[in-house]
Amino acid sequence: NAGVTQTPKFQVLKTGQSMTLQCAQDMNHNSMYWYRQDPGMGLRLIYYSASEGTTDKGEVPNGYNVSRLNKREFSLRLESAAPSQTSVYFCASSDGAEYNQPQHFGDGTRLSIL
Amino acid sequence: DQQVKQNSPSLSVQEGRISILNCDYTNSMFDYFLWYKKYPAEGPTFLISISSIKDKNEDGRFTVFLNKSAKHLSLHIVPSQPGDSAVYFCAANTNAGKSTFGDGTTLTVKP
Repeated sequence: NAGVTQTPKFQVLKTGQSMTLQCAQDMNHNSMYWYRQDPGMGLRLIYYSASEGTTDKGEVPNGYNVSRLNKREFSLRLESAAPSQTSVYFCASSDGAEYNQPQHFGDGTRLSIL
Repeated sequence: DQQVKQNSPSLSVQEGRISILNCDYTNSMFDYFLWYKKYPAEGPTFLISISSIKDKNEDGRFTVFLNKSAKHLSLHIVPSQPGDSAVYFCAANTNAGKSTFGDGTTLTVKP
């Protein structure tokens, strides 16, 4: 079982470049999330999607956009990358039917912006 | 204002002994708590959870305790094994379903 798949695993960008991080889940989950993790810190929510067709801002949305393409896929876009966006990005999904369902995470995208 | 705090960045224990990881929270609206485990270069994986209507939940070697009045929870691992060496994140949910994470505690279990 693939679970949550993130692509790419690694990426180096120059300041000002744009890119899209891809995420897909095969668990038929309703809710999907994008987090960033900086060194020594926990996961901070960037955006989430409670169900197909809806997206909402999390704790740190500035500089990012998202698209819930369908129930399986949730992408994160950096329009003009900045060094402060160097981080590890995690996508997650959960059943969403009840609020106490654990999240399932991908293995992350390690993004460096020079 | 950090709503979920793990005040110990690291913890080292001997194999076979008990590991106790702590987590404090400030938001009284949190009513479900989860622990995740993370190995290097992997995503977090769910370990154990507890509802605010309980004070203890046990799953094999892992037990989570919740003290609502103190807004404190702890994860006990008994006995600790070298394979338990990882970063442990505490997370708290409101009934809106979003999770707020602590900064993590790195557990090292020495053989």
